[in-house]
Amino acid sequence: ETGVTQSPTHLIKTRGQQVTLRCSSQSGHNTVSWYQQALGQGPQFIFQYYREEENGRGNFPPRFSGLQFPNYSSELNVNALELDDSALYLCASSPRSGTGVRAFFGQGTRLTVV
Amino acid sequence: DQQVKQNSPSLSVQEGRISILNCDYTNSMFDYFLWYKKYPAEGPTFLISISSIKDKNEDGRFTVFLNKSAKHLSLHIVPSQPGDSAVYFCAASGKRGGTSYGKLTFGQGTILTVHP
Repeated sequence: ETGVTQSPTHLIKTRGQQVTLRCSSQSGHNTVSWYQQALGQGPQFIFQYYREEENGRGNFPPRFSGLQFPNYSSELNVNALELDDSALYLCASSPRSGTGVRAFFGQGTRLTVV
Repeated sequence: DQQVKQNSPSLSVQEGRISILNCDYTNSMFDYFLWYKKYPAEGPTFLISISSIKDKNEDGRFTVFLNKSAKHLSLHIVPSQPGDSAVYFCAASGKRGGTSYGKLTFGQGTILTVHP
């Protein structure tokens, strides 16, 4: 069974640029959530995708957008990068039914905006 | 507006003793509570959870206690081991079937150090 994998692991971007982060969900999981973890803080919910549609969004501006594909993998896109977007971005997958509330996390993508 | 709070940034414990990590929440709509452990350069790993209909859940060395009236939960690790040294996050989710189900609200984390 393959766990949640994210790519890339590290990324450096310039303010104003755009970035795409990728996530492969755990086998059998159809729900993917994205979280932002700033230094010294807990993860903050960005949004969730279920069956290729956005299924809830946290307090993040529209320049944070996402996609989910038919194989349940997902992308997080951030436009017009700001210095404060520097953080660890975590992807989590879960099955919709059964133990749905328990999320399985990837290792994260460390984004640095300079 | 921090709905889930871990007021102790760090905790230091001797190997073999009990570690107690605390978490407070303000949103009475939370229905599930989870604890995650995180090592540097890794994603959070699920430890244990509890539903609001229970006040205790055990899994090996880990026990979570929930006090709904006080909106407080705690994680007990007995006995503590050096390999338990990590950042521990408390998280909460809304009711199954509700709009916030499965969307986790995390605390700031507590760094646990277990000394040999």
